[in-house]
Parts: sequence; structure tokens; C-alpha cells
Amino acid sequence: EPEVTQTPSHQVTQMGQEVILRCVPISNHLYFYWYRQILGQKVEFLVSFYNNEISEKSEIFDDQFSVERPDGSNFTLKIRSTKLEDSAMYFCASTEEVNNYGYTFGSGTRLTVV
Amino acid sequence: RKEVEQDPGPFNVPEGATVAFNCTYSNSASQSFFWYRQDCRKEPKLLMSVYSSGNEDGRFTAQLNRASQYISLLIRDSKLSDSATYLCVVNRRNDKIIFGKGTRLHILP
Repeated sequence: EPEVTQTPSHQVTQMGQEVILRCVPISNHLYFYWYRQILGQKVEFLVSFYNNEISEKSEIFDDQFSVERPDGSNFTLKIRSTKLEDSAMYFCASTEEVNNYGYTFGSGTRLTVV
Repeated sequence: RKEVEQDPGPFNVPEGATVAFNCTYSNSASQSFFWYRQDCRKEPKLLMSVYSSGNEDGRFTAQLNRASQYISLLIRDSKLSDSATYLCVVNRRNDKIIFGKGTRLHILP
């Protein structure tokens, strides 16, 4: 079964440092997403990406965040200057069609900011 | 009002029993509905889509009531492996999916 692959599985970084979380979506999918889940809380939408541009972003996705799909394969989330409150599980997801199919999620990157 | 609301549980249910969860959504423009399952510290995994006419997948039955804006999930003959958090998910047309906070289910041996 096709998978969404995320690396690394766990990243520890110092406050103020930049991190890049990587994702390889399913190859024939067209819509890409980043979600995050703070421990014990719900899965929250960060950003959607289609046709090489951001479709929508949430209030969480401020100027410290950016996304890129540089090579048609990888889909990255960059946090420029991490804060303690950025510590969470970050999930990448993709889907081939927005309305009729659920999303396939990657196994996540656990980001710990110290 | 939260966009998607679920009873957080936990539901503690003996193995073999039937259990049902409900979920309500606030946006009447919501178009697609799903149940996801999430195991501890794992990613959400699609359990089933929810169709207007109701649908069944083995021991799992999902129903949608658009008039009352709620979705239900019924699990029959529950197994120990059904222990997880069940996430109600909705989206509006051409829009991102929105998660409820989830309902925790513990199946007791």
C-alpha cells in the first residue's frame, strides 16, 4: 500500500534554531498538507498546498513557517526560529482528490524544542 | 461552538460488546465526513468514509444525519485491537479536513 514518508521521526532542537521537516507524499497525489498535534490535544491544520502554491493556511502558520516542494517529490515544512510551544508531532498528509477521499498521513515527526 | 465536537470518553467496553460514538459538526456546508483511528503516538489512519445513506465495513457502521448535523460510528463485537482514539473528521467542499478531539475507547478483556 502506498505510504507517505516523513523524516526524521524525531528531531530535538534548541529554541531559536531552524528546523526542516521532510515528507514524501504518495506519488500520484496532488494535494499536500501539514498538520500538527500537541501532546494530548487535537490534530490541527497548518497549511495546504496545491499546484505548487499554498492554498490555505491557519493562524498557527505565521511568518516563522514556510513550505516548499522543490523537486516535485519532497514536501518540506520549515520553522525558521523555533519556540518551545512549537514542540509537537507534525504530520504530513496527501490526497488525490479533496472531497471524496480521506487523507493519507505520514507517521509524523516528533519535534522537541528545548 | 467548536467545528467538530466529540465526547472525549474514555469508553471502557468489555470485549465482544457493541459501542457507539457520536460526533456533531457546526458548519452546515460540510460536505465530506470520515472516521479516523489514532493509536497512541501514531498518525491518524482512515477507518472509513461516511456516506449519506450510511455504510458498513465489516464490524463498523457509520451513519450521517445532515439535518441534525451529526455522524455516528458503531462497532460490533469489539476486539481488544479496537482500543484506540476515534477521530471524527469533516470538510467543506474543496477545503481542508477538520478533526474532532477524538473519543478514547478501551476494550477490556
